Amino acid sequence: DAGVTQSPTHLIKTRGQHVTLRCSPISGHKSVSWYQQVLGQGPQFIFQYYEKEERGRGNFPDRFSARQFPNYSSELNVNALLLGDSALYLCASSWRADRELVSTEAFFGQGTRLTVV
Amino acid sequence: AQSVTQLGSHVSVSEGALVLLRCNYSSSVPPYLFWYVQYPNQGLQLLLKYTTGATLVKGINGFEAEFKKSETSFHLTKPSAHMSDAAEYFCAVSNSGGYQKVTFGTGTKLQVIP
Repeated sequence: DAGVTQSPTHLIKTRGQHVTLRCSPISGHKSVSWYQQVLGQGPQFIFQYYEKEERGRGNFPDRFSARQFPNYSSELNVNALLLGDSALYLCASSWRADRELVSTEAFFGQGTRLTVV
Repeated sequence: AQSVTQLGSHVSVSEGALVLLRCNYSSSVPPYLFWYVQYPNQGLQLLLKYTTGATLVKGINGFEAEFKKSETSFHLTKPSAHMSDAAEYFCAVSNSGGYQKVTFGTGTKLQVIP
């Protein structure tokens, strides 16, 4: 089975531009989460989606948005890019988001390296 | 609120020596704890996880961790370091608030000296 796949793997954008990152979860997984990992730091939670609804949001500005599609794939959108948005963006999928299975591990993709110049 | 603190941003060990990476957590509810490894320019791979039950958890590649509630710790160990263990290791805690927000520590880079 394929793991979590993210595209593109690398991306260079100019300040002020918009970017869309894509993620396909492991087959059968209904929950997708997005994380930002700035160089030298641990990943920071951005969003979680389950069954196409936003179930959790981290401390990120409204320039960041996401959505989940009927096939459970997901897009992360960032508007008005800033230099500080340069990071590795990680997508993680897991079975479910409900309380009983909250301990289910998250499987991470290889990430998209975004560089804003 | 939940958080993890990893003590030591860089750890160096000799090949064959004991690996000990320290992690302390803070959680208002019973935590779910994880250790992830990240190789350069790659995503995160789960080493092991603690949910409930046995407090000594065994993971992949010979790693294990012990959940100590009284010390709020979840340290990662491996009896004998291998060159291939050189990577960055992240301790993480997951909430039980109805969705799976994982909070990561700042990471510990492990260097293995031949």
